[in-house]
Amino acid sequence: EAGVAQSPRYKIIEKRQSVAFWCNPISGHATLYWYQQILGQGPKLLIQFQNNGVVDDSQLPKDRFSAERLKGVDSTLKIQPAKLEDSAVYLCASSHGRQNPGPGIYEQYFGPGTRLTVT
Amino acid sequence: AQSVTQPDIHITVSEGASLELRCNYSYGATPYLFWYVQSPGQGLQLLLKYFSGDTLVQGIKGFEAEFKRSQSSFNLRKPSVHWSDAAEYFCAVGARRGSTLGRLYFGRGTQLTVWP
Repeated sequence: EAGVAQSPRYKIIEKRQSVAFWCNPISGHATLYWYQQILGQGPKLLIQFQNNGVVDDSQLPKDRFSAERLKGVDSTLKIQPAKLEDSAVYLCASSHGRQNPGPGIYEQYFGPGTRLTVT
Repeated sequence: AQSVTQPDIHITVSEGASLELRCNYSYGATPYLFWYVQSPGQGLQLLLKYFSGDTLVQGIKGFEAEFKRSQSSFNLRKPSVHWSDAAEYFCAVGARRGSTLGRLYFGRGTQLTVWP
């Protein structure tokens, strides 16, 4: 099966500009996650969707970050305006749960990430 | 509070030597434990996971990990390291949230260097 797809792979912007990242999860996966990985740190969850509803966005800086998953499939994460400290790799992951039991249940599958540099 | 500690930032081993990467966690609920590997410019690949049952779990690429509840540890081991194992390794803990898996809490990672 195809993995989690993300685009773009790299993005360089100036501070105060806006940027958007796209993620297409593994087909049939109801749950989608966005993580932020700052250099030298482990990934940190920004937001979790279950189908097209938000399950957990407690760590999302809502004054500048937004995310949507309108049709319960692919998702977009936006930053507006960007700050220097937003430089990081943004990872998308997907998971299937009890509705689709079998190998891989309760696992998160990660995409290659988008490396954002804010100058 | 939920947290994962990987005390070793960087480990260097010779090819063919054994490897153990340490992971300690703090988690209020029944933990689901994971080890991921990340190569430069790549996403995270799942090596193995522990949910319940046998505390020694086998993963891909010859890796294994042992869950020790009394020590809140989930250390990763490999009996003989290959040069291709050089990468960054992340330990993570999470829990079920309804019918799916909730957020994962990651350690800061251990960078593995393999000498030929």
